[in-house]
Amino acid sequence: DVKVTQSSRYLVKRTGEKVFLECVQDMDHENMFWYRQDPGLGLRLIYFSYDVKMKEKGDIPEGYSVSREKKERFSLILESASTNQTSMYLCASQVERALNQPQHFGDGTRLSIL
Amino acid sequence: AQSVTQPDIHITVSEGASLELRCNYSYGATPYLFWYVQSPGQGLQLLLKYFSGDTLVQGIKGFEAEFKRSQSSFNLRKPSVHWSDAAEYFCAVGGVRTSYDKVIFGPGTSLSVIP
Repeated sequence: DVKVTQSSRYLVKRTGEKVFLECVQDMDHENMFWYRQDPGLGLRLIYFSYDVKMKEKGDIPEGYSVSREKKERFSLILESASTNQTSMYLCASQVERALNQPQHFGDGTRLSIL
Repeated sequence: AQSVTQPDIHITVSEGASLELRCNYSYGATPYLFWYVQSPGQGLQLLLKYFSGDTLVQGIKGFEAEFKRSQSSFNLRKPSVHWSDAAEYFCAVGGVRTSYDKVIFGPGTSLSVIP
C-alpha cells in the first residue's frame, strides 16, 4: 500500500512565524500535492509538483511556498503565518501524470495559528 | 466552469439501513470520477473510481456507485450501513484539463450512523 506520511498531526504556531509542513511518500510517485481543507469549502489545491525541484501553483497559492528537493519529500512553507491560515492541511501523491490515477492522501496536519 | 456538487451536507441513517449519497458534476467531456472517504482525524481514502465501461462500479467496504451520463450524476450506495461508516464522503472529478490535470473535489457529505 502507498504510505503518505505527514510529519505532524497537530501544530500550533504564532502569527508571523515561519512554518514548515513536511510530507513523505514511500512509493516513488512522481506527483505530489498540498491541499487545505476547510468546512464547507472542501479541498482546495495550494501547490503541486510533478518532479524534483519543480513546482506549480494551484488555486490558492498566496501566502505559501513549497520545496521538493527529493522525489519522496514535499514541503509546504508558510513564510509568515497568519490566523486565516488556520486549517487542516492534506498532502497527496500520485503515481504519474495520468488522469485515471487516484491521489493517495496522508492523515493531515491540523494547524492552528494564534 | 467545471464543478462538483454534493447536495446533502449531512445525512443520518440507522445502522443496517441502506445509503445513497448524491454527487452531480458539471463537465463537458467524459469525466474521471472518484469517491473518497475521510474518517475522523484521518486523510482521504479512495473508495472507488470510474473511467469507462460498466457504469456500475464496485469499491471497497461494500460500496458501489453508478455513473449516469444523462443526469451528470455519480451516486454512492451501500445496501446496509455499519456504524464504522460514519465519516465524511467526497466526490471528485478528474480529467479536467486546465493548466494542469486538475481534480475537483465536492464539498463533502457528512454521514452519521445511529446504532
